[in-house]
Amino acid sequence: GNSVTQMEGPVTLSEEAFLTINCTYTATGYPSLFWYVQYPGEGLQLLLKATKADDKGSNKGFEATYRKETTSFHLEKGSVQVSDSAVYFCALRQNTGFQKLVFGTGTRLLVSP
Amino acid sequence: GAGVSQSPSNKVTEKGKDVELRCDPISGHTALYWYRQSLGQGLEFLIYFQGNSAPDKSGLPSDRFSAERTGGSVSTLTIQRTQQEDSAVYLCASSLRTSGAGGSGETQYFGPGTRLLVL
Repeated sequence: GNSVTQMEGPVTLSEEAFLTINCTYTATGYPSLFWYVQYPGEGLQLLLKATKADDKGSNKGFEATYRKETTSFHLEKGSVQVSDSAVYFCALRQNTGFQKLVFGTGTRLLVSP
Repeated sequence: GAGVSQSPSNKVTEKGKDVELRCDPISGHTALYWYRQSLGQGLEFLIYFQGNSAPDKSGLPSDRFSAERTGGSVSTLTIQRTQQEDSAVYLCASSLRTSGAGGSGETQYFGPGTRLLVL
């Protein structure tokens, strides 16, 4: 079946540090890939997405590239801010048939000043 | 426009009681999803509605869980005879449609969730 694996957290960084949160997936065919973010006390928000191989999703300084050869969708940001502290979820969705989201376990990011 | 709304935001109940959780999707969205976020289980899919089609209930953990969607809009998730392991945040999401690849119509927009605590 489909699954998503994310790196364990928490990830603790100082402000302006470089961020990478690893995400790999297992799926048949060509799923769409997503990063969702959950800020403290808030609901899930879509951060970025990519729908086909080699696509790069980007938003708010975050980027992730759909790598089919390595079945990965790693999240990166060049310079994190305290306000980026949140839980980040990688997810996939099949583009045929039933299209539920399959989520990773989430990675908590803590950014200190 | 308004996003997905859910009520109540918090619910505390006693073991064995029934609870109803409500979701109001974004107006015009034909697809509606329920997920559950719990410690140790992460985010799990529960049930999905698409237009007038029969719902996909493949994610419901037991027959104590049921959901309906009236008039293609508001949805209610019902948990009967609640157990302590039902304690979780129940999330609702909606999207414009589910068919086809690419495009903003596929993006699922989430509500703030209902935090359920079963004592």
